Amino acid sequence: DTGVSQDPRHKITKRGQNVTFRCDPISEHNRLYWYRQTLGQGPEFLTYFQNEAQLEKSRLLSDRFSAERPKGSFSTLEIQRTEQGDSAMYLCASSLAGTAWEKLFFGSGTQLSVL
Amino acid sequence: AQRVTQPEKLLSVFKGAPVELKCNYSYSGSPELFWYVQYSRQRLQLLLRHISRESIKGFTADLNKGETSFHLKKPFAQEEDSAMYYCALSDKTSYDKVIFGPGTSLSVIP
Repeated sequence: DTGVSQDPRHKITKRGQNVTFRCDPISEHNRLYWYRQTLGQGPEFLTYFQNEAQLEKSRLLSDRFSAERPKGSFSTLEIQRTEQGDSAMYLCASSLAGTAWEKLFFGSGTQLSVL
Repeated sequence: AQRVTQPEKLLSVFKGAPVELKCNYSYSGSPELFWYVQYSRQRLQLLLRHISRESIKGFTADLNKGETSFHLKKPFAQEEDSAMYYCALSDKTSYDKVIFGPGTSLSVIP
């Protein structure tokens, strides 16, 4: 499968624990996005990278959230001291930047449940 | 701030009837707009993009800058069109960041 892959598919954790998700984009894609989606809502922008550079982080995102893309390939999203409100689907997408009409390719997501 | 709104959370139409999913945006400048679709148990995927002026699966969307709208239309709905539809905007003022609307769930009744 040459699409965007995310791991794990599901994560159940207790409040206060740290969790880390991984995203592997399509290999030639230089841009990588993280979104969060809750039931009945559209994908909410969290952060994105061009190669290894983090371009922007949502102002709505607390300092408990951090993302990295150290070599410009895969990315990790870490949530520290999880709260019940963090329960959501975390989506990763990648694209080839530099075109006026870049297309996002999405992964299947990681469903986080915080108990 | 750049924003995408979709006023209808749910839309039900009968098979063969026309369908229109509404999208409005707020953006200072010339936007790049998209429609993404998520079928049951599938990944979110691009349906069409404004700049290509394409018709995909019978759907079209016209950008109306005066009304700041990008409504998605299809003349004859099919059962396989039932899905979640998200309007999205590429923000040129912020490295082409893509932001999404809240989505409309389309249900086509046989």
